[in-house]
Amino acid sequence: EAEVAQSPRYKITEKSQAVAFWCDPISGHATLYWYRQILGQGPELLVQFQDESVVDDSQLPKDRFSAERLKGVDSTLKIQPAELGDSAMYLCASRHGQGNNEKLFFGSGTQLSVL
Amino acid sequence: ILNVEQSPQSLHVQEGDSTNFTCSFPSSNFYALHWYRWETAKSPEALFVMTLNGDEKKKGRISATLNTKEGYSYLYIKGSQPEDSATYLCAFASNTGKLIFGQGTTLQVKP
Repeated sequence: EAEVAQSPRYKITEKSQAVAFWCDPISGHATLYWYRQILGQGPELLVQFQDESVVDDSQLPKDRFSAERLKGVDSTLKIQPAELGDSAMYLCASRHGQGNNEKLFFGSGTQLSVL
Repeated sequence: ILNVEQSPQSLHVQEGDSTNFTCSFPSSNFYALHWYRWETAKSPEALFVMTLNGDEKKKGRISATLNTKEGYSYLYIKGSQPEDSATYLCAFASNTGKLIFGQGTTLQVKP
């Protein structure tokens, strides 16, 4: 069964360093989401892509976070510089279908620890 | 600001008990309500997507209902098993394309 690929699985970095996460959605899925999940909270939407276009990045801290999906396939999320409060699970998901048939397929996530 | 609330935050039950959780969401701009199960060290997995008021969906021992007019959904697990231990997330999909998650209900089933 096709899966959403994410890497790395774990990332430890020091504050003020740059980090990047990669996501490859299931082939043919036009909608891609990046979520951040802090322990004890639900996933928080950071950015939503439709093909290569950003649909919603209203919750993305744009002073330090950037996201791109240049060819409308795989996507990269970058943080520069990383801060202690960025420690969280970063989940990528792609969406398939509409209405009752729509659902999200999630990657395994990147667990980020900022020291 | 769209707010999705889940209760309880956590739940401990004995094997064989039946249980249920609640998801509250805005009653305006509704498109769909999703339920996901997230087991430790795995990716969240889709359980149900419901779009119509009064919808009921069932998958094995797990079922869900939807009330879009009052803005809530219930997830039921009949005869809980240890393998049901997971965090259960609901997500509100608005007709503008946003998908907002609740904070989850963490279920622990003791053998």
